[in-house]
Amino acid sequence: DTAVSQTPKYLVTQMGNDKSIKCEQNLGHDTMYWYKQDSKKFLKIMFSYNNKELIINETVPNRFSPKSPDKAHLNLHINSLELGDSAVYFCASSQAVAADTQYFGPGTRLTVL
Amino acid sequence: DQQVKQNSPSLSVQEGRISILNCDYTNSMFDYFLWYKKYPAEGPTFLISISSIKDKNEDGRFTVFLNKSAKHLSLHIVPSQPGDSAVYFCASHSGGGADGLTFGKGTHLIIQP
Repeated sequence: DTAVSQTPKYLVTQMGNDKSIKCEQNLGHDTMYWYKQDSKKFLKIMFSYNNKELIINETVPNRFSPKSPDKAHLNLHINSLELGDSAVYFCASSQAVAADTQYFGPGTRLTVL
Repeated sequence: DQQVKQNSPSLSVQEGRISILNCDYTNSMFDYFLWYKKYPAEGPTFLISISSIKDKNEDGRFTVFLNKSAKHLSLHIVPSQPGDSAVYFCASHSGGGADGLTFGKGTHLIIQP
C-alpha cells in the first residue's frame, strides 16, 4: 500500500551509460515531481508534471528527460551519465499544482563510476 | 543563493525535553511553510505546515511558529521522544506550489535517552 514508490532503490552504473528511474503513485494525485539531493544534502526541484504535462523544468541538463505515460507515473531517463549525476533522486506527488503538501517516495541512490 | 536556511546542522536534546528547530527564509513571496522529517534511506515525510496568514499551528506534540516580519519559523517538539531522532527539513513555496518546494539543508535532531 506504498503511496509513492520508486525503482530501483540503488543504481550503480558507469559514466556514459543511459539509465531510467521509475516512479508510481497510488494516491490519485494530479501532480508529480522529481527532486535531486546532492552530496551537500540540498533537495532541489528538477521537474514537475501536472496531468502528464510538464509545468516546471528547472535548470537541468537536457540529458535528463522525464516521461509521464499516465498521471500515476513519472519516470526519469538520464542519458550519457556523468560523475556529477551521482545523487539521491526523490519522486513526489501532490493533489494538484496548487496543493500545499507533497508526498515523497523512498528515493533512488544513483552512483556513477 | 539559499532562500531557506537551517543554520544548525545538528541538535541534541534529552528525552522528555523540548526540541526547537529553527528556519529562516529570504524570499518574501513564500506563503506556505512545511516541515518534513526524514529517516536514513527513506524519503521525507510530511510533518506539519503553516500558511503565511497564521502565526501558529499545532498538531499533537508538534507546533510550528511563524514570524513573518523576521522571516523566521520554528518547529517545537514537546516532549521529545527517541523516535523523533531524524533529519528535519524546512521547506517553502510561493504561488500555490507550482514552482515546487524550496528546501533548507536540514537539521539532524538527536534525542538522548
